[in-house]
Amino acid sequence: GENVEQHPSTLSVQEGDSAVIKCTYSDSASNYFPWYKQELGKGPQLIIDIRSNVGEKKDQRIAVTLNKTAKHFSLHITETQPEDSAVYFCAAIWGDKSTFGDGTTLTVKP
Amino acid sequence: DAGITQSPRHKVTETGTPVTLRCHQTENHRYMYWYRQDPGHGLRLIHYSYGVKDTDKGEVSDGYSVSRSKTEDFLLTLESATSSQTSVYFCAISESRYGNGGEQFFGPGTRLTVL
Repeated sequence: GENVEQHPSTLSVQEGDSAVIKCTYSDSASNYFPWYKQELGKGPQLIIDIRSNVGEKKDQRIAVTLNKTAKHFSLHITETQPEDSAVYFCAAIWGDKSTFGDGTTLTVKP
Repeated sequence: DAGITQSPRHKVTETGTPVTLRCHQTENHRYMYWYRQDPGHGLRLIHYSYGVKDTDKGEVSDGYSVSRSKTEDFLLTLESATSSQTSVYFCAISESRYGNGGEQFFGPGTRLTVL
């Protein structure tokens, strides 16, 4: 089955700096790669996603890049703010099968 | 939370007892999912439904059963709860198939403790 590895598990940055979280996957059949933000005590919320036929996607301060050959995709957050502090999860999806990474706890220090 | 409610939000039960968790949506979405989330880990799919009375297993389905008799309700049952089923359970819905880029919306979660 699919295996998704997410790094780093914790990330601490200064406000205004950039943050990068990387995920690698094993099944080349995976074709949809969403990223979720989860705040304490809440369910995950989709922040950005990318399909396998696209290399990069941006939404304001957030971007995702996908390298299908190397089987990895990354989340980039620029100009971080304290409210970006949360746990971020990546996922690799094929059909109705989903595999999530173990999460990255991002702390943005003011 | 996109018209998704889960009940109960918290439950403590004893080993061997049956437990049913409910997910209710007001969005009329076709697909519904049950996940569990354990400390330090991502979500793992238990079961999902692609329509009324249409369900399928996820990667961690052993010990769980589901039912969907109405579009808006998806029930997760632990026939005989075990301590390994202590977890936070999330329901999710999507209008189209997840693999086709159908965005999933998650409920607030149910924290289940099995003593």
